[in-house]
This record gives sequence, structure tokens and C-alpha cells, in this order.
Amino acid sequence: DAKTTQPPSMDCAEGRAANLPCNHSTISGNEYVYWYRQIHSQGPQYIIHGLKNNETNEMASLIITEDRKSSTLILPHATLRDTAVYYCIVRVGGQGAQKLVFGQGTRLTINP
Amino acid sequence: DGGITQSPKYLFRKEGQNVTLSCEQNLNHDAMYWYRQDPGQGLRLIYYSQIVNDFQKGDIAEGYSVSREKKESFPLTVTSAQKNPTAFYLCASSMFPASSDTQYFGPGTRLTVL
Repeated sequence: DAKTTQPPSMDCAEGRAANLPCNHSTISGNEYVYWYRQIHSQGPQYIIHGLKNNETNEMASLIITEDRKSSTLILPHATLRDTAVYYCIVRVGGQGAQKLVFGQGTRLTINP
Repeated sequence: DGGITQSPKYLFRKEGQNVTLSCEQNLNHDAMYWYRQDPGQGLRLIYYSQIVNDFQKGDIAEGYSVSREKKESFPLTVTSAQKNPTAFYLCASSMFPASSDTQYFGPGTRLTVL
């Protein structure tokens, strides 16, 4: 079962920052927060992950609250190609092969 | 380019026929996975393999078989015993063992059984 809660849908204007929230109130100390997205009829695409500290890469930024019970994925300048379902996943890292549990995710629509 | 390839993108088969889905990766990853996705649902793990010549059942292995003869290849056979084979099949790979074992996915194969 998914251990995260995300809003089912969000809209964002093209060129603006898209902020996608995720609640993971039962996260354990050794669990990472991962974000993936899935564009219709394609495989999930890895975006970013983090443990405690905020992380940034070429795609997005991940802000994790100090108590680690929630996080926010930020797409700084959203484009139409960012329209997708975004999944927030918590899992233990470095423990070998294990399944990813995808919840319902947030369907993000970028509007022109 | 490094990545994971799955072929074909679309596959049609008659009921009762076995079919094999291809998955190849050139990322030098040790672990590989097969997931199934049904419309509007999350991913369910079918099989996974951590090293060559070894694989483990996932949550829904019945009606499926795999092999791992080479590090870069992990084909999935959907047998006639699988009751509802029509689905979107996704292959993934990751480093193992590693502190960073992010799973990377292929583009998927959409199987339709007629």
C-alpha cells in the first residue's frame, strides 16, 4: 500500500512554478522520498529523490520539511511537456531490489 | 545513448498463445524488474532479478516466466495461464547492491490479447 498522500489533480500556467505537495506522515528514518512522473502511455520517469536535505537537479527541486512528514516537488518553469501524473514514493534506500509502490499520484496539467 | 529498451511498443496476440516481451539495458545495472500497469492503476511487480541466473517472484508472478542469462537482458514470457494478460508492461533496472538504487524504466510494451 502507498504510504503517501497527494492531491488528485493540479493546474499550473505555463512558465510558472509548479509546486506539488506530498504527505508522508509515517515515513521512517531510513526511508527516502522519490518522485517519478508518467506521461500518458510512457514508462515512469525518475525525477529526484532525497532523505533529509533539500535537493535540486536539472529537472526539479525537492523540499523536505524538517520533520520529514511532507515534501514538495517544484518544477521551476513549467512547460506543456510537464503535463503528466506525478508520483511521490517513500522507500528504504540501499536495501537491494524492492518494488516501487505507486499510489494514485497527482495529475498535473500545464495550461498555455 | 544509455538506457532501457523494450520491444515491441505494441503487441497483439490471440488468446492461448505465449508471448515474450523483450527488455534490454546498457546501464550496467545488476537488478532488473518487470511491472504490470492496468488502466488507472499503479504498478504491480511481476518478477525481479538481482544478479544473472537468479530471479524472484513479485506480487503477481502467476502466469508469467522470466530468464536472466545475461546481465543486460531480462525477457518476460506471458503464458496462456495468465488469465488477464492485456496490460501495459514496464521493465526497470537499478544498481545492486548500492546506496543509490534508483529504478529507471523503459518505455513499456502494451500487450493486447484478442
